[in-house]
Amino acid sequence: GAGVSQSPSNKVTEKGKDVELRCDPISGHTALYWYRQSLGQGLEFLIYFQGNSAPDKSGLPSDRFSAERTGGSVSTLTIQRTQQEDSAVYLCASDKQGTSTEAFFGQGTRLTVV
Amino acid sequence: AQSVTQPDIHITVSEGASLELRCNYSYGATPYLFWYVQSPGQGLQLLLKYFSGDTLVQGIKGFEAEFKRSQSSFNLRKPSVHWSDAAEYFCAVGSSGGSYIPTFGRGTSLIVHP
Repeated sequence: GAGVSQSPSNKVTEKGKDVELRCDPISGHTALYWYRQSLGQGLEFLIYFQGNSAPDKSGLPSDRFSAERTGGSVSTLTIQRTQQEDSAVYLCASDKQGTSTEAFFGQGTRLTVV
Repeated sequence: AQSVTQPDIHITVSEGASLELRCNYSYGATPYLFWYVQSPGQGLQLLLKYFSGDTLVQGIKGFEAEFKRSQSSFNLRKPSVHWSDAAEYFCAVGSSGGSYIPTFGRGTSLIVHP
């Protein structure tokens, strides 16, 4: 596609439910990032995928958060047993890295836990 | 560990006035530096980036930034602000080799008065 696509754009869920957020990166981009943006806060790094390497999960805030990337393309961020503090905008970005490195961001998924 | 500080949470300027947004970074080697802009409800768009070479970098929408190694700064400037520049601005730092994960500052909210 022309850009990074995220779905859904908005998600309202009840506390304790599981949610899945999807990211379609730009074709050919080997790197994919997930960030979380809480109200009035900057971007908090969650997880990083690069090619076939093991993902860097160092930013995941708890074991309720997980992510996978299938076939080096689409990624899904899963949050289990959602809590109110999980409410935020979840941003995905992809990057072809190398000397032209630049992260291209999707529009984000706004998650509201009620 | 790399880090970014944007000391100004909010900046208010009049339309037509000049603008400077501050960014200080912490990184042990030569960094990759970025400025992104986020309009309400939108994802992040790259304004400009510095990898090496000329320390004065030109970007889109009339923005420029200057890398000053001695001050660990990468301030964003624009000579004449337009009302459409009202947005959130994020500075980011990435490593200059191998895998890199951009670290973002908390952002500066730009308010433009007519």
